[in-house]
Parts: sequence; C-alpha cells; structure tokens
Amino acid sequence: GDSVTQMEGPVTLSEEACLTINCTYTATGYPSLFWYVQYPGEGLQLLLKATKADDKGSNKGFEATYRKETTSFHLEKGSVQVSDSAVYFCALSEAGGSTLGRLYFGRGTQLTVWP
Amino acid sequence: DTGVSQDPRHKITKRGQNVTFRCDPISEHNRLYWYRQTLGQGPEFLTYFQNEAQLEKSRLLSDRFSAERPKGSFSTLEIQRTEQGDSAMYLCASSPRTAILNTEAFFGQGTRLTVV
Repeated sequence: GDSVTQMEGPVTLSEEACLTINCTYTATGYPSLFWYVQYPGEGLQLLLKATKADDKGSNKGFEATYRKETTSFHLEKGSVQVSDSAVYFCALSEAGGSTLGRLYFGRGTQLTVWP
Repeated sequence: DTGVSQDPRHKITKRGQNVTFRCDPISEHNRLYWYRQTLGQGPEFLTYFQNEAQLEKSRLLSDRFSAERPKGSFSTLEIQRTEQGDSAMYLCASSPRTAILNTEAFFGQGTRLTVV
C-alpha cells in the first residue's frame, strides 16, 4: 500500500543553518507529493507540492524535488529562521486512488531553530 | 475568515460518553475529509465525503464512529461510548471539485479530544 517514511526528529538548528528533512515514499501509481507544515497552535498548511517526476516545489525559501528514481521528496532550505520552527509532514496523494485527494502522511519532523 | 472551521477546539469527556464534532468546510469545496492524529504521528485518514455521499471509510473507523454530511455542506463526526484510545486530534479538511485530481486540501485547526 501507499506510505511515506519521513526522517525522525527532533531537528535542532541554529539560525541560518541549512536544513534537509528526508522523505521517501511507496506508491502503486503516480502520486502527487506534498509538504505540510504545522506551526504551534495552528492547523496544517500546505508548504509546497509537486505533481510529477522532476517537478520542484518551492515556497518561503523551502524546496523539494520529486525524484521518481529514488522515490524521494526531501525538503531543503538554505538558511532557516526562528520562525521556521514547526512540525513538517511529508505526504502523498494517489492520482488514481478510490478516494480522490486522500493523503498519506509521514510521522512528522519537529524542527526547532535557535537564534 | 473563510477557512475550514472546526468546533469545538477542545473536548474533555468521560469514558463511555458520546461526543460530536462539527466541521464547516470552505463553502465552494465539495470534498471533505476527516483525519485523526495521535501524539507523535502523522494524520491518518478516517473518511471521505463527496458532496453528501460518504464514499470511503477507513478500517480505523470502528462501528462506534459515524460521520455525516447531510446537505453537502457541514459535516459531523460522532464517537459513541468513547474509550481512552480515542484521545487524539480530529482534523477536517476540504478541497474543491476540479479537473485536477490532486488539489491541495485545506485543513481546519482540529478538535482535540481527551477521554478521561
């Protein structure tokens, strides 16, 4: 079945450090891939997405590239800020699944950035 | 604010009691999802509505759980005879009807249930 494996946290970084959160997936078809972010006390928000192989999603300085050959969608940012402290979830959605738009999530990675 | 709204935000109940949660999706969205999130885990799918039709239910949705979306607008999730294992964050999400299959889902802030 479809699943997402996400790098376990927590991840603690100093401001301006580089960030990589690893995400790999298993899917039967051709999924779309997403990164959602959950700030303290808030709901899940879409951070970025990619719908086909080699697509790069980007937003707020974060990037992730859909790599079909390695079934990966790693999240990267070159210089993190304190305001990036949150929980990050990798997720996939199958294009041909019986439930349109159903998301399969990883376990989440807690990121804390210190000034 | 025209986002997904969930009510209540927090609910504490005694074991064995029934609870009901409400979700108001974004008004033009015809797809509605319920997820459950336990501590340290990602959200897990519970059920899916397209308009008023409940099209899929996860095996996680035991017979103590029931969800409705009577007019294709708001939805309710009821848990009967709550158990301590039901303690979790219950998330609602909605997405629009579109030719693009994998459209972004918009999430509410969730209802945190604590069963004591």
